[in-house]
Amino acid sequence: NAGVTQTPKFQVLKTGQSMTLQCAQDMNHNSMYWYRQDPGMGLRLIYYSASEGTTDKGEVPNGYNVSRLNKREFSLRLESAAPSQTSVYFCASRQLAGTETQYFGPGTRLLVL
Amino acid sequence: AQSVTQLGSHVSVSEGALVLLRCNYSSSVPPYLFWYVQYPNQGLQLLLKYTSAATLVKGINGFEAEFKKSETSFHLTKPSAHMSDAAEYFCAVSGNTPLVFGKGTRLSVIA
Repeated sequence: NAGVTQTPKFQVLKTGQSMTLQCAQDMNHNSMYWYRQDPGMGLRLIYYSASEGTTDKGEVPNGYNVSRLNKREFSLRLESAAPSQTSVYFCASRQLAGTETQYFGPGTRLLVL
Repeated sequence: AQSVTQLGSHVSVSEGALVLLRCNYSSSVPPYLFWYVQYPNQGLQLLLKYTSAATLVKGINGFEAEFKKSETSFHLTKPSAHMSDAAEYFCAVSGNTPLVFGKGTRLSVIA
């Protein structure tokens, strides 16, 4: 099993450009998440999807949109990238909340110039 | 609301010494607590988790953590540090909500 996969691994954008980060999981998990990681800030939740067909804002949703395409896939879109969105983005999934283990993808490094 | 505080953004230990990484949590519901490890340029992987079955939890690579409700703590320990333990460690808390992470502690192991 591949677990959680993310594409691309690395991307450079110019301010104002748009892009979509892709995430897929093959564990039949219900819940999927997008986090960003910045030095000294830990992981901050951007958006999540508790189940197919639902999405909710996390701690830092401004400037982002998401789509839960199906049970496997959860994409994150930057409509107009800003330098403040330079970060490492992690997708994660887990079966349910509570005690279930959350599994992470390898991350996407995004640089906005 | 739930939150996690990790005391010390950077901890250095000598190889063979005790590792102690501190985590305190705040939760309005009985918490589920997790420790994750992140090696350079990788994603996060689970070290261990507390699910109320036992207060002392053993994880991978010789790590363990003890849940202390009275102290609202879930500190991570390892009796003897190895060079391969150098990484960033994250404590996280969850109820029936998404995981909330602490800011992380970078562990350096000195030969």
